[in-house]
Amino acid sequence: AQSVAQPEDQVNVAEGNPLTVKCTYSVSGNPYLFWYVQYPNRGLQFLLKYITGDNLVKGSYGFEAEFNKSQTSFHLKKPSALVSDSALYFCAAFSGGYNKLIFGAGTRLAVHP
Amino acid sequence: DADVTQTPRNRITKTGKRIMLECSQTKGHDRMYWYRQDPGLGLRLIYYSFDVKDINKGEISDGYSVSRQAQAKFSLSLESAIPNQTALYFCATSDLRVDTQYFGPGTRLTVL
Repeated sequence: AQSVAQPEDQVNVAEGNPLTVKCTYSVSGNPYLFWYVQYPNRGLQFLLKYITGDNLVKGSYGFEAEFNKSQTSFHLKKPSALVSDSALYFCAAFSGGYNKLIFGAGTRLAVHP
Repeated sequence: DADVTQTPRNRITKTGKRIMLECSQTKGHDRMYWYRQDPGLGLRLIYYSFDVKDINKGEISDGYSVSRQAQAKFSLSLESAIPNQTALYFCATSDLRVDTQYFGPGTRLTVL
């Protein structure tokens, strides 16, 4: 079955510390992977994507993600968290067989001052 | 994203009523999607359309129907709303088959 897992419902980080939001995937074929962020009362905003090439992908707002094929993971990272990064983060994988994006359940990031 | 708009933003309705949610985009994209968001479940695809004449069911299409009136407009209808259709609904667009999707601000629907 095609799926995306975000094993943590919530991640708590102190401002200034590095953050990691985890994502693992199970899709057929070459994976196309995405991270989106959702702020309260807003739609999802695109952060970054991996299609091919360098395993470290840089995106918006200082975020980056590392693609690891052997571990089927695509973890989102940021070297120094800001309070304004507090939001709901979604990992998604494109399933070629089903021709659609499959979303994880989301991880709520809380950055404390 | 102001390029993808949804109306209404909030709607409260009663069981059995017919509801239409509308989506418009100015991005010039051919592909449009309707998703439903429920807490702890992420986003689930209801319907998608790759052009005006191509409409496809997603994973949870039962109880929903869509209409692609033009390249820029994609409407979602609930023929007879029921309480478990209470959710946040998002429209999205994309340019290519495997490409970034751009989301509207969402419609919060409550079915009493």
